[in-house]
Amino acid sequence: QKEVEQNSGPLSVPEGAIASLNCTYSDRVSQSFFWYRQYSGKSPELIMSIYSNGDKEDGRFTAQLNKASQYVSLLIRDSQPSDSATYLCAQEGSGGSNYKLTFGKGTLLTVNP
Amino acid sequence: SQTIHQWPATLVQPVGSPLSLECTVEGTSNPNLYWYRQAAGRGLQLLFYSVGIGQISSEVPQNLSASRPQDRQFILSSKKLLLSDSGFYLCAWNGGGGGYTFGSGTRLTVV
Repeated sequence: QKEVEQNSGPLSVPEGAIASLNCTYSDRVSQSFFWYRQYSGKSPELIMSIYSNGDKEDGRFTAQLNKASQYVSLLIRDSQPSDSATYLCAQEGSGGSNYKLTFGKGTLLTVNP
Repeated sequence: SQTIHQWPATLVQPVGSPLSLECTVEGTSNPNLYWYRQAAGRGLQLLFYSVGIGQISSEVPQNLSASRPQDRQFILSSKKLLLSDSGFYLCAWNGGGGGYTFGSGTRLTVV
């Protein structure tokens, strides 16, 4: 069974610090990975996608993919209180055209002013 | 641009009552559509997905059903709600890879 595992946290960092969120997955074939941010009571919003080994940067966010070790991470630089949310890692299913995503349970991040 | 609409935002229903949640997408054609449920303390669970009109795939056996009567409409239903059906229901669409866009969700409380 395909699984995506995340540390549920909570992860607490001071404002301005780097927050590091990690995710491991079991499906070696899948090529597509995503990070979603979910504020309390709201629906998830896509913040990063990554498809190849290495780093992908977008503003304060950097996604890292290591297919050999089967992990994906998200780094948030210069963390702000507004970054406080649950971060969900997702993996797209391999094969077919249904593009199903399997989600981890999420890591709760708190950024303290 | 594409938008996804989901309603109602909140719903309180008695046990044994029927349910109908609707989701519509605008600005795209032939999207893949998904229904997820997020229960308290649990992750996002895929309930149903559809790759076209009348095509429904169920991921888990349960008290719910889904239908896709039109290309951009996806409906989640139940004939008789159970307490365990409470949760945050999310509709999402995908145009062909690249992750999902979620609707705003329906928070269902069965009492």
